[in-house]
Amino acid sequence: SQQGEEDPQALSIQEGENATMNCSYKTSINNLQWYRQNSGRGLVHLILIRSNEREKHSGRLRVTLDTSKKSSSLLITASRAADTASYFCATDAWNAGKSTFGDGTTLTVKP
Amino acid sequence: DTAVSQTPKYLVTQMGNDKSIKCEQNLGHDTMYWYKQDSKKFLKIMFSYNNKELIINETVPNRFSPKSPDKAHLNLHINSLELGDSAVYFCASIQRGTGELFFGEGSRLTVL
Repeated sequence: SQQGEEDPQALSIQEGENATMNCSYKTSINNLQWYRQNSGRGLVHLILIRSNEREKHSGRLRVTLDTSKKSSSLLITASRAADTASYFCATDAWNAGKSTFGDGTTLTVKP
Repeated sequence: DTAVSQTPKYLVTQMGNDKSIKCEQNLGHDTMYWYKQDSKKFLKIMFSYNNKELIINETVPNRFSPKSPDKAHLNLHINSLELGDSAVYFCASIQRGTGELFFGEGSRLTVL
């Protein structure tokens, strides 16, 4: 099974609202990353948070990491229709040499 | 300039055929990957190459054979295609230090 599980699987909100997506993982990690995938496109890196960090911001994005609960959340504030996409978390386990992706959350922002 | 480019973008073929997907990155990264994304958007790693050397093979059937002629290229050849091979295949390279993955646009394979 996937290392990461995300919830919700799908999220639909109005423009201007905040969107929160959660990611849980199973093993100890080196870092956790969030990626975005527009329909029919490749994944694009959004933000990385290291295992010794608890919170990180980038523009309208806020990521938190709780290593004791093995979970992370991605908050998108003041959402826009252009934020409509699938969002994936990816974990890098120590010495694994690879990123393992969660199941993804499909976000729809209605104008 | 496209950082990671893969061709073709679409392949439609019959069961039993052989097909190849090519990938090139101009980022100077040493490590490249092939990921498979199924219809439910699950993204699963298949292979990883570091400087032309295979370092990860995630129990992929041996009908799948990656080849890396140099560290900027990682191609994927698939023999005897099966219906279950239908998916989107993504090539990616990784930036050393940050661990950030750079993905191609994907190659959608449909096996009929």
